[in-house]
Amino acid sequence: ETGVTQTPRHLVMGMTNKKSLKCEQHLGHNAMYWYKQSAKKPLELMFVYSLEERVENNSVPSRFSPECPNSSHLFLHLHTLQPEDSALYLCASSQDGQGGNEKLFFGSGTQLSVL
Amino acid sequence: SQQGEEDPQALSIQEGENATMNCSYKTSINNLQWYRQNSGRGLVHLILIRSNEREKHSGRLRVTLDTSKKSSSLLITASRAADTASYFCAAALYGGGSEKLVFGKGMKLTVNP
Repeated sequence: ETGVTQTPRHLVMGMTNKKSLKCEQHLGHNAMYWYKQSAKKPLELMFVYSLEERVENNSVPSRFSPECPNSSHLFLHLHTLQPEDSALYLCASSQDGQGGNEKLFFGSGTQLSVL
Repeated sequence: SQQGEEDPQALSIQEGENATMNCSYKTSINNLQWYRQNSGRGLVHLILIRSNEREKHSGRLRVTLDTSKKSSSLLITASRAADTASYFCAAALYGGGSEKLVFGKGMKLTVNP
């Protein structure tokens, strides 16, 4: 186990649904990340939070809404998604949020299917 | 634009053989990291090599970095079936006031028993 837990592991939702992905880290890290992994594409960084403040938002559509209530928890709220949003969503954490200077600890991901 | 690009995209070898994966990138980097991902799981950090380092070892893993050629290689020696996974390189670059880690598409390694 990496110390980063994501729930649910699998999610199927219709385009009009609202759902949330949850991530919890037990490593005492100060930074948390959301990544999107689609087949045959590089990992895409979506959001970065450092000390509960959003420090990065990579032009992600507003139908994805992150929330970081404390340094251990990260949510991704989903609404009116499109079929092309189907992907594996990975949460990660790092010690200080120093970008590429640190190693990332990933959760197992939520496999999302949008019908 | 994509930084890390792994080559080959897929590799199949027999147990006991060595596996070499290459990564190329386009701009100057601060460091380069390698990760592995088992099917349906998250990525696991393997090794980080800084721009002023040329080679690094960790167990059966050996990573080299050639900044003049903008390339890195990951060598897994004496491979095992459990090494079957996808391997990603990630380049750390500085831009826009912050440092970012940019991943490649990954390379699938199959080790046959």
